[in-house]
Amino acid sequence: TQLLEQSPQFLSIQEGENLTVYCNSSSVFSSLQWYRQEPGEGPVLLVTVVTGGEVKKLKRLTFQFGDARKDSSLHITAAQPGDTGLYLCAGEGGNKLVFGAGTILRVKS
Amino acid sequence: DAGVIQSPRHEVTEMGQEVTLRCKPISGHNSLFWYRQTMMRGLELLIYFNNNVPIDDSGMPEDRFSAKMPNASFSTLKIQPSEPRDSAVYFCASSLGGTTAEAFFGQGTRLTVV
Repeated sequence: TQLLEQSPQFLSIQEGENLTVYCNSSSVFSSLQWYRQEPGEGPVLLVTVVTGGEVKKLKRLTFQFGDARKDSSLHITAAQPGDTGLYLCAGEGGNKLVFGAGTILRVKS
Repeated sequence: DAGVIQSPRHEVTEMGQEVTLRCKPISGHNSLFWYRQTMMRGLELLIYFNNNVPIDDSGMPEDRFSAKMPNASFSTLKIQPSEPRDSAVYFCASSLGGTTAEAFFGQGTRLTVV
């Protein structure tokens, strides 16, 4: 069974701070997706990374796929209250999309 | 497009009762997924369909769970009989193809079995 471990589980920061959340596995994934989920809603895709070492930027969010395609990170610069939510990583392997447990981010104003 | 539509949004039922959750995927999408989300286990894939055919149901926890997709625009997830440990948020998602294409999620059905 392929498992994705996300850390930290919970993060509470002040507006304007930077943060990084991690997604790690012992398995290799063909691709990895990051989703954000707000309370009462379903997850929404932020980005898909495919190539080892790939870096993608989405405004203040920077996503990186590890060289060995086993891990990924999400860095948020100058966090805003609107960034609050559950951040999920999901890896494609064995013809399935496997989700991590997520990181709950709370950004206080 | 209205997105993936799930019904009901909330369901409270007594243990032993049958529960049916419904999903209308985005028109044109050929893959449909049912997930269950709990605090303890996170988001788990229960089953997915491609072109209305079940491809992988290894995530279905027990025989009490069954899913159907009679046509491209409708799917159901049934639990019979329901148990308190089935309480969770159940999500339906659809995509244009396979497991790696972007999955569009519905708003979920929050199921409480008492």
